[in-house]
Amino acid sequence: GEDVEQSLFLSVREGDSSVINCTYTDSSSTYLYWYKQEPGAGLQLLTYIFSNMDMKQDQRLTVLLNKKDKHLSLRIADTQTGDSAIYFCAESRNGQNFVFGPGTRLSVLP
Amino acid sequence: DGGITQSPKYLFRKEGQNVTLSCEQNLNHDAMYWYRQDPGQGLRLIYYSQIVNDFQKGDIAEGYSVSREKKESFPLTVTSAQKNPTAFYLCASSGTIVNTEAFFGQGTRLTVV
Repeated sequence: GEDVEQSLFLSVREGDSSVINCTYTDSSSTYLYWYKQEPGAGLQLLTYIFSNMDMKQDQRLTVLLNKKDKHLSLRIADTQTGDSAIYFCAESRNGQNFVFGPGTRLSVLP
Repeated sequence: DGGITQSPKYLFRKEGQNVTLSCEQNLNHDAMYWYRQDPGQGLRLIYYSQIVNDFQKGDIAEGYSVSREKKESFPLTVTSAQKNPTAFYLCASSGTIVNTEAFFGQGTRLTVV
């Protein structure tokens, strides 16, 4: 079945860039997503990318997709303490059935 | 405002009792999902429904039941058969239009006392 993997923890200093990585197995994935979860809350979509794209930029966020290696990354520029959260990578084939990674807990140190 | 609402935010259940978690959306989405999240873990799919009056088991459906009598509503019942129900439950919905995202509710934290 489909699988999505992420490293579980990442610590960065305030002001530095954060890079969160994700790998997936389903070569038929057509949509790849990054969600953010703050403590005790639901997930909020940060950004998504179609599988026929290799990069998407949205303000401080840059998503890179290497479809050949099935590797997705999320770069957060100028990381702030408010960026501390859990970040989930997800993929779907048809925009309905989603497979989520285990989440990466980002800690931003002062 | 359009969105997806879960209630209650916190729920306590005695052992041996069934309890129902509410999930309502006004986004006109066809598909709805229930996930379970345990501390330090990712999301695991319990049940999903792609259309009214139809639903499918996810990866961890045992001890849970759902209904989808209305497009807007997808309640989840945690039965006494669920041996370890204490967790954070997330409901989500998505449309049928291509390239849609999943919208999430704010979650219900269930604790067995």
